[in-house]
Order: sequence, then C-alpha cells, then structure tokens
Amino acid sequence: KQEVTQIPAALSVPEGENLVLNCSFTDSAIYNLQWFRQDPGKGLTSLLLIQSSQREQTSGRLNASLDKSSGRSTLYIAASQPGDSATYLCAVDNQGGKLIFGQGTELSVKP
Amino acid sequence: EAGVAQSPRYKIIEKRQSVAFWCNPISGHATLYWYQQILGQGPKLLIQFQNNGVVDDSQLPKDRFSAERLKGVDSTLKIQPAKLEDSAVYLCASSLDSRGGGELFFGEGSRLTVL
Repeated sequence: KQEVTQIPAALSVPEGENLVLNCSFTDSAIYNLQWFRQDPGKGLTSLLLIQSSQREQTSGRLNASLDKSSGRSTLYIAASQPGDSATYLCAVDNQGGKLIFGQGTELSVKP
Repeated sequence: EAGVAQSPRYKIIEKRQSVAFWCNPISGHATLYWYQQILGQGPKLLIQFQNNGVVDDSQLPKDRFSAERLKGVDSTLKIQPAKLEDSAVYLCASSLDSRGGGELFFGEGSRLTVL
C-alpha cells in the first residue's frame, strides 16, 4: 500500500531564503508525482508534474526533483516571497490517476 | 479556459440530513475525480470516473455516499444520511487523459459542516 510522507509539517522562513520541501513515498512503481499548492479555504493549484521517466521539472522559481529508487521528491523554492505562504502537497500516482497525497507542509514566509 | 466549477462552496447541515454537491469539469476532460479532505490532512480519493463509467469507488462509503456522472460531463456527489465525521472539504478534479495518470486540475471545493 502506497504511503506518502511530507517533512516538515510546518516551516517558517524569512523572505528571500531558498528552501526545500521533502516528500517520500514507499512504493517506487509510480506513473508520476505532482506538487500542489493550497491556499487557506481554497482548492489545489497544480505546480509541477514529474513523469516517472523524468528526474526534474522547473517552473520559474520552483524546481522539483524525483528519485524513484529512493522514493523521494523535493520541491525547491528559490528566493522565497511572502506570497509563497501556503500549504504544499505532494501526490503520487501509481494506479492510473488515483493520487495518494501526503499531509502537506505549511509554509510561512515572513517579510 | 474555465476551470473546474463546484457548488455550493459552503453547506451546513444537521446529522442524518442529506446533501448534494455538483461539479462541472474542464471542457473535454474525460476523467473526473471526487476527493475528501478532512482538516489537516491530504485529500483522499472517493471515486474516479472515466467518461460516464466508474473506474474506482473502492474508498466510497457506499452505505451513505453516492455519485453519478451523467452524459460524461457534470457530476454530483450525494451524502445521505450525513454523519459528524463527514465534515470535510469535497474537492472535484478533472484530467484530460482518458486513461488516467495525467495532470489533475482541482476546483475550489465544497466545505461541509455537519452539526
């Protein structure tokens, strides 16, 4: 049974700092891994999708890596801004669209 | 391009009452999902449709939850009778990939409070 864990559960950093969010999963037979952002009271916004054959994806200040053999993914945020404050969720797909989510990392970027 | 639309955004009911949520996916998206997100947790899949057929409903509490997707477009999720533990945000998502496994796009969610 696939289990997804995100560490830390919460993170507070000063503005401008580079940071890394971690995601680990127990079953390496995945189709893809997706990172989402969730603002309070809102739905999920897709940030990056990494297919199982890929090692990383980049979008602006965001970079996500995938290491299937070790069951790990990281989301790197460069030059963090207060507007980056949100909960970040990773989810793995190992059954044709059925996403298994971690519990999320709540990020607070202080001005 | 319009996103995934859900309604109502908020609903408060007494336990044992019924409630229904509606979802309109992104136009042309074959796959539709309903997820349940309890406060402080990640979303959990309830049911997955491809066009108007059910792909996976193994996590749906079928004694009280039901869902349908008419004509392969809009979907409704119903809870009857509701329990206190059903208090959660119900998220609808859709994907272009008809086989599943593509990028998922989520709606804003419907927040249910059961008193």
